[in-house]
Amino acid sequence: QKEVEQDPGPLSVPEGAIVSLNCTYSNSAFQYFMWYRQYSRKGPELLMYTYSSGNKEDGRFTAQVDKSSKYISLFIRDSQPSDSATDLCAMSPTDQNQAGTALIFGKGTTLSVSS
Amino acid sequence: DGGITQSPKYLFRKEGQNVTLSCEQNLNHDAMYWYRQDPGQGLRLIYYSQIVNDFQKGDIAEGYSVSREKKESFPLTVTSAQKNPTAFYLCASSRRQGGKSPLHFGNGTRLTVT
Repeated sequence: QKEVEQDPGPLSVPEGAIVSLNCTYSNSAFQYFMWYRQYSRKGPELLMYTYSSGNKEDGRFTAQVDKSSKYISLFIRDSQPSDSATDLCAMSPTDQNQAGTALIFGKGTTLSVSS
Repeated sequence: DGGITQSPKYLFRKEGQNVTLSCEQNLNHDAMYWYRQDPGQGLRLIYYSQIVNDFQKGDIAEGYSVSREKKESFPLTVTSAQKNPTAFYLCASSRRQGGKSPLHFGNGTRLTVT
């Protein structure tokens, strides 16, 4: 089983739809969870950042972490054509400044929002 | 504006040649990273460095080498020993090593080896 699993899609939705993206993971030590957005031929940019379990909301975006189920989600409300990109989940075990704490990425879900 | 600069954006090389990819950051970050991205594979860690003159192998270090002589710079050399070098290479930095510090990425170098 891979450490982080993410459905690659592609996912196509109409403008204004609610989108749900998900990742599952196997390492119970993960504590820091992030979502990055990557546009074509660009580097990923941080979208959302959460620590441990719970929800975090920022504008149209809500990140959820369920550590008991080893499952994280990103909800996008009122999706826009500008959301058309690849969204990647990423996670890390600890904050300690030691080897082995680099981020582990999912493969990314490609989203297309049509106007 | 602070950020990470990767150059060149596109690079073409013949098989058997070593090639060095540049990465410079002006964010004053301690940690720097190199990832490789292939279609359907996601991001895979090649090397990372927590401080100057120190670096560690990631998951796919074979056929690659790095140096960290300056805090701002973390060049990656793709050697002729790398069996499948054609890929999109991403450099990143963070304030410190560890999950609490998000990564900041450059816009990548697309390397094509024929």
